[in-house]
Amino acid sequence: QKEVEQNSGPLSVPEGAIASLNCTYSDRGSQSFFWYRQYSGKSPELIMSIYSNGDKEDGRFTAQLNKASQYVSLLIRDSQPSDSATYLCAVNGFGGATNKLIFGTGTLLAVQP
Amino acid sequence: KAGVTQTPRYLIKTRGQQVTLSCSPISGHRSVSWYQQTPGQGLQFLFEYFSETQRNKGNFPGRFSGRQFSNSRSEMNVSTLELGDSALYLCASSLVENSPLHFGNGTRLTVT
Repeated sequence: QKEVEQNSGPLSVPEGAIASLNCTYSDRGSQSFFWYRQYSGKSPELIMSIYSNGDKEDGRFTAQLNKASQYVSLLIRDSQPSDSATYLCAVNGFGGATNKLIFGTGTLLAVQP
Repeated sequence: KAGVTQTPRYLIKTRGQQVTLSCSPISGHRSVSWYQQTPGQGLQFLFEYFSETQRNKGNFPGRFSGRQFSNSRSEMNVSTLELGDSALYLCASSLVENSPLHFGNGTRLTVT
């Protein structure tokens, strides 16, 4: 089992729709969770961080965490073509190690105008 | 505030050579992590340094090494380069434990 798993996509949504990106992780002791966006040829940039169960909203983005199910998701409302990118889920705390961030392979999102 | 700075941006080396990559973290950040990114494997964790000590290490061969200086700047070295080492090498810094990583623009290494 991979440590952090994401569907590679591509996930195609029409402009204005809600994009839903999902991620599961294997270590129940993981402590902090992040979503990064990476445009082609660029480095990852942080979108959201979440540390406790529930929802966290920031503008058009909502991160959801369910530690019991070892599941974290990202919702993008009113998707725009500029949101087209690879979205990386990252999990910290594997094996009790802090500051060892493990990334999923990413989900490619394509927003169709 | 300046971001994470990586040099050089591009490198071309031949098999068997060695290479050193440099990273300057965001001012005040004492943790520096290194990642290798390839199309097939995604972002793979190499190692993490804090206060000049390697705290975490990924599953890479001993040819990959790093160090951190007292000013938090970090270098990573790859010896005896192989074709498979061609990748984007990303450095990231963070302020405190469990806080987000902030990435530099990366060094694109091509091994021929």
